[in-house]
Order: sequence, then structure tokens, then C-alpha cells
Amino acid sequence: LAKTTQPISMDSYEGQEVNITCSHNNIATNDYITWYQQFPSQGPRFIIQGYKTKVTNEVASLFIPADRKSSTLSLPRVSLSDTAVYYCLVGRMDSNYQLIWGAGTKLIIKP
Amino acid sequence: KAGVTQTPRYLIKTRGQQVTLSCSPISGHRSVSWYQQTPGQGLQFLFEYFSETQRNKGNFPGRFSGRQFSNSRSEMNVSTLELGDSALYLCASSLDGGYEQFFGPGTRLTVL
Repeated sequence: LAKTTQPISMDSYEGQEVNITCSHNNIATNDYITWYQQFPSQGPRFIIQGYKTKVTNEVASLFIPADRKSSTLSLPRVSLSDTAVYYCLVGRMDSNYQLIWGAGTKLIIKP
Repeated sequence: KAGVTQTPRYLIKTRGQQVTLSCSPISGHRSVSWYQQTPGQGLQFLFEYFSETQRNKGNFPGRFSGRQFSNSRSEMNVSTLELGDSALYLCASSLDGGYEQFFGPGTRLTVL
């Protein structure tokens, strides 16, 4: 199983770009990388998902190098409301279902 | 479109009792997954139901069970509760079991 490692916490300031890196050295060929955001007293919310190279949507970008042993979630121009825990998931949801959640990164955005 | 709902939101039980948690997925979603979240273990996958069948299962003891009804609503049951079962239980739904899951607010279970 691909175990993930993320920083426990990060601080940044409003308006800055924030990059959170997740390490997953044992990622398997069929594994995808997914990121979720969780606010206190709420369930996680899907942010972005990718397999390789770069994926971008309206809220974030996901960078995955060629060896896929790590991935970086990039949040452009963060605001105070981006203060949350961010989870990196690696795994697959096919007939050999395996989905491992990382411990999460507590991101604190300061004014 | 209404989101995923879970009932009850809070529950207090004593050791040895059993508990049933309920989850109503987003309309049209056929896959429902259950997770346990604790400060020590983080988020752990319990099981997934799709079209009334358990399709995938995590590494939890048999005391944890679930089912899904024809309207995709799901229930999770924990029998013979232990102190370590105290956790936030999250339900997530998706159209067909894809990576984009929609989570409910969770049920906070406290076992005394």
C-alpha cells in the first residue's frame, strides 16, 4: 500500500501562493492522487485529482513529477477562508480498492 | 441539490451497546462509503456500498457492518461498542464510486 507523508502544519499569508507537498514513494501504477480539504465540524471536500503531470481547476493546481513519488497541491492567492486541513490520498478505486488517506496538513492563513 | 445528510449528528452510548447510523446520499448517487475519523488514526475507510451490495471493505472487525437500501440510503451498525469506537463517522457518496466523493457532516459517536 502506498503510504503518504505530508507536513503536519504550514503557515502563510493572505494573497500568497501556497504549495503543499505529499510524498508517496510506493505509489503503484494504477494509483491516482487526490486532495481533499476539511474544515472543522465538516466532512472533507474534494479539491482535485490527477495521475501524472499537471492538473488545474478553478481552485487549485496539482503537480505530479514523472516518477510520481510525490505531488504538490498549489493554492493560488489564498485567503483566510482557506485555513483548513488538507489531505493527500493515494490509491485506486477499481476492483482492487485501496485508498490511503494521509495524516493531513493543517494550513493556517494569516492576515 | 441537497447534500449528503447523516443522522444523528451526535450520539452517546455506553460500552457493550450497539448503534446504527444513517446516511442519505446525494440524489442520483449510487455509491456510499463510510469512514471513521479519529485524532490518532486519521481517516480510515470502513466499507463501500454500490447498488445495495458491499463492493469494498476496509480492515475493521466484523462488529462494523452496513447495508444499503434500494433508494441508495445507507446504514452503518456497530455492535458491542468499545471505548475505542469513539470517533467521527463520515459518510460519502459518489455517482459510481469515483474519486470525487461528497461527504456528509458526520456523526460524532462517544462511547462511555
